[in-house]
Amino acid sequence: AQKVTQAQTEISVVEKEDVTLDCVYETRDTTYYLFWYKQPPSGELVFLIRRNSFDEQNEISGRYSWNFQKSTSSFNFTITASQVVDSAVYFCALKNAGNQFYFGTGTSLTVIP
Amino acid sequence: GAVVSQHPSRVICKSGTSVKIECRSLDFQATTMFWYRQFPKQSLMLMATSNEGSKATYEQGVEKDKFLINHASLTLSTLTVTSAHPEDSSFYICSAKNPGTRKTDTQYFGPGTRLTVL
Repeated sequence: AQKVTQAQTEISVVEKEDVTLDCVYETRDTTYYLFWYKQPPSGELVFLIRRNSFDEQNEISGRYSWNFQKSTSSFNFTITASQVVDSAVYFCALKNAGNQFYFGTGTSLTVIP
Repeated sequence: GAVVSQHPSRVICKSGTSVKIECRSLDFQATTMFWYRQFPKQSLMLMATSNEGSKATYEQGVEKDKFLINHASLTLSTLTVTSAHPEDSSFYICSAKNPGTRKTDTQYFGPGTRLTVL
């Protein structure tokens, strides 16, 4: 069975603070993909990153960075120097070998000016 | 990048009527499309997988007679909510897989359709 857990329901930070969004997943598949999506108030899902199960190299893209650790089944997302525009709901998702997506329940991030 | 559109973006209808939502892949052919629904402040739930030229595969608990899916072409899938009721009010999102790219595992999401049933 696949499962994605985002234990943090809501997070509030003050602008310019760093914030880490946690994601823990469960799967028996050896090949799988992990994603992060941003959902602003408009509702549209914005793709942030895709990571396959064989690539544990951490990635940095501007103020965003991702830490993938298979040993702990975690794929955490850090925003450095947060900005008000980062306020959104962030979803972690896992895609299994059958091409089905399993989304976490989302973390609502509020960045306070 | 690949673009997926949905129409309409918002729809309000009376209870008992049927509503059709279109999902289009604008610059690629999508043999497979997916339909999700999202209740307020909740996660996305996969409703069904739509395959061009064949019947959709519905997730457990999703009424196929209630949510009719038609994937008539490689660029269009439609979701029809039949005899809509207030509890069907939700945010419906489609996604499409682009088999023409190397990143075949990446799905492209539409902007979503907010359905409100009065």
